[in-house]
Amino acid sequence: SQQGEEDPQALSIQEGENATMNCSYKTSINNLQWYRQNSGRGLVHLILIRSNEREKHSGRLRVTLDTSKKSSSLLITASRAADTASYFCATGRNTGTASKLTFGTGTRLQVTL
Amino acid sequence: DAGVTQSPTHLIKTRGQQVTLRCSPKSGHDTVSWYQQALGQGPQFIFQYYEEEERQRGNFPDRFSGHQFPNYSSELNVNALLLGDSALYLCASSRGQTAYNEQFFGPGTRLTVL
Repeated sequence: SQQGEEDPQALSIQEGENATMNCSYKTSINNLQWYRQNSGRGLVHLILIRSNEREKHSGRLRVTLDTSKKSSSLLITASRAADTASYFCATGRNTGTASKLTFGTGTRLQVTL
Repeated sequence: DAGVTQSPTHLIKTRGQQVTLRCSPKSGHDTVSWYQQALGQGPQFIFQYYEEEERQRGNFPDRFSGHQFPNYSSELNVNALLLGDSALYLCASSRGQTAYNEQFFGPGTRLTVL
């Protein structure tokens, strides 16, 4: 079953605008990771934020984490057509003998020229 | 530095057949996890291998089995294929079992069951 949900399910913006995607989850976590997926191909790792961190930056990406609200957001600034993809959040949790990622359903981002 | 590699890229099978998918982890990684992604959905965790043992399993039947070799590469086997097994199968590798480390994914194997 899916751990959480991304919001919105789909987002269409123009090149140069900012895109914000939100992720909510249900249980306690050790970390939260964001991934990008182009046209049903493999997942590209974007950023990992640990449960004791509140904000992290990587290039044009900014991720926030609010563990009290069990939510995270991904901001892509100055978007480009090449950012068109599906974006997934995945929560990581240690389970004693292993760790697994639980994914949301994704946000489909369309960046138009 | 090669990333995670998977083979084959695409596979077409018929119901009832068996399939084996292969994964080589990123250099320096010793943990391999397998995920199934149905069309339009997020990936679902199948199982994780560490030190050649299955460490945790998601909600998948015993028809799904795996193996990890001493060089950390891994195989996913699916027996008695069903139409519903059609999906993108993703392999991810990480350093150690801890959830604090990034998991890097391969390009996936697209399985179609007819």
